[in-house]
Amino acid sequence: DIQLTQSPSFLSASVGDRVTITCRASQGINNYLVWYQQKPGKAPKLLIFAAYTLQSGVPSRFSGSGSGTEFTLTISSLQPEDFATYYCQQLNTYPLAFGGGTKVEIK
Amino acid sequence: QVQLQESGPGLVKPSETLSLTCTVSGGSISSYYWSWIRQPAGKGLEWIGRIYNSGNTNYSPSLKSRVTMSFDTSKNQVSLKLKSVTAADTAVYFCARDPTMATPYAYWGQGTLVTVSS
Repeated sequence: DIQLTQSPSFLSASVGDRVTITCRASQGINNYLVWYQQKPGKAPKLLIFAAYTLQSGVPSRFSGSGSGTEFTLTISSLQPEDFATYYCQQLNTYPLAFGGGTKVEIK
Repeated sequence: QVQLQESGPGLVKPSETLSLTCTVSGGSISSYYWSWIRQPAGKGLEWIGRIYNSGNTNYSPSLKSRVTMSFDTSKNQVSLKLKSVTAADTAVYFCARDPTMATPYAYWGQGTLVTVSS
């Protein structure tokens, strides 16, 4: 089974900061990786599809990059509404797996 | 606009079967991939399994022996059954339409809390 390791699991940042979250896969996933944002009490929201395709309506401060087994979600300038938990998920190989999540909190 | 709504009992007794339904509106369930995901309170997302192409399924190895997913195309519903539940199965359960290369959008239900307790 493919394991996804997200780092960090927690980060504290200020409004305006550049934030980077990493997702490492235990084997290649053909860039079939998505990123979700989840706020408390809500369903996850898709931000990035296939490693770097920004979903319609998602602010351009979010970007995805990477290939092979290492992927990155970057928020170029953190906004108050971005404080949430972020998850990566691979859709390439069963069983589909989520990363452990990265909680972004206000510094 | 595609919308998903999970429904089912909020309380299930230990050793019994958890049964949930995901009703899809605004689009057909055919030709798409549908996943069930759960999230225990304060914890991360756990993929339970997926159903697609009118009945093909793939399940998480850790739950495979207890899980059954099915389609009801007449009602536009996807269903989840998890048997022999324990307190460890207490979680918010989500259904979701997975993004694909052909349709790179994801739709999720709001989630439903299922508590396993006597």
